[in-house]
Amino acid sequence: DIQMTQSPSSLSASVGDRVTITCRASQSISTYLNWYQHKPGKAPKLLIYAASSLQSGVPSRFSGSGSGTDFTLTISSLQPEDFATYYCQQSYSNPYTFGQGTKLEIK
Amino acid sequence: QVQLQESGPGLVKPSETLSLTCTISGGSISSFYWSWIRQPPGKGLEWIAYVYYSGSTNYNPSLKSRVTISVDTSKNHFSLKLSSVTAADTAVYYCAKGSGSNVGDFDYWGQGTLVTVSS
Repeated sequence: DIQMTQSPSSLSASVGDRVTITCRASQSISTYLNWYQHKPGKAPKLLIYAASSLQSGVPSRFSGSGSGTDFTLTISSLQPEDFATYYCQQSYSNPYTFGQGTKLEIK
Repeated sequence: QVQLQESGPGLVKPSETLSLTCTISGGSISSFYWSWIRQPPGKGLEWIAYVYYSGSTNYNPSLKSRVTISVDTSKNHFSLKLSSVTAADTAVYYCAKGSGSNVGDFDYWGQGTLVTVSS
C-alpha cells in the first residue's frame, strides 16, 4: 500500500493567516493526489483534485501543488469557516489511502 | 446537487455481518463509481471498496475476504456487507461518489453513520 504522511498533524493559526499543509507519498503517485476538508458531523468535502485542480464551488484561497511524492495545500488567507481537519488522499492505485489528517485550530 | 445518505444498524454483535445502504438523491447512480470508506474512532480514513453502476467491483485487499459491495439501480442505492465483524470494525462508515474523471476522487460524501461492534 502507498503510505501518505501529512505534516503537521495539528496547526494553530489566526484568521487572515497563510497556512500550508504538506503531504508525502511513500512512492511516486504522479499528480493523483486529492485534498479534503472535514468538519465534525459533516460530510467530507473535496477541495483539490489531481494535485492542483480546484473543485467546483471551492473558494480560490485554496490551492494545491506538487507531483511525484511531495504535495502541499495552501490556504492564502484563513477564514473562520476554514477551521477543520484536512486530509490528503492518493487515487493512483488500489487501495486508495489517506493521510492521517491535519487539524487546523484557531489560535 | 447529489446527496448521499447512509442507513443501517448502529450496533452489530461480534462475529455477525454489518449491513449498510447508501441512498443517492438528486442524481442517478448510473455512470459513476460508488465507494465505502470508514474511520475508526481516533484513527484515519480507510477506503473499503467501490462498485460501478454496472455491478463491477474492486476491494481493498486488507478487507476483501469479508466485504461484499453491490448496487441496485432500480432503487438508486448501493450496499455494503462486512462479515465476521470484531471491535476493530467499529467506525463511522461513509459512502462516497467517484468523480467522472477518476474513480478514486471522491467528490460527494454522505455524513457518515457510526457502527459499533459490541455484544
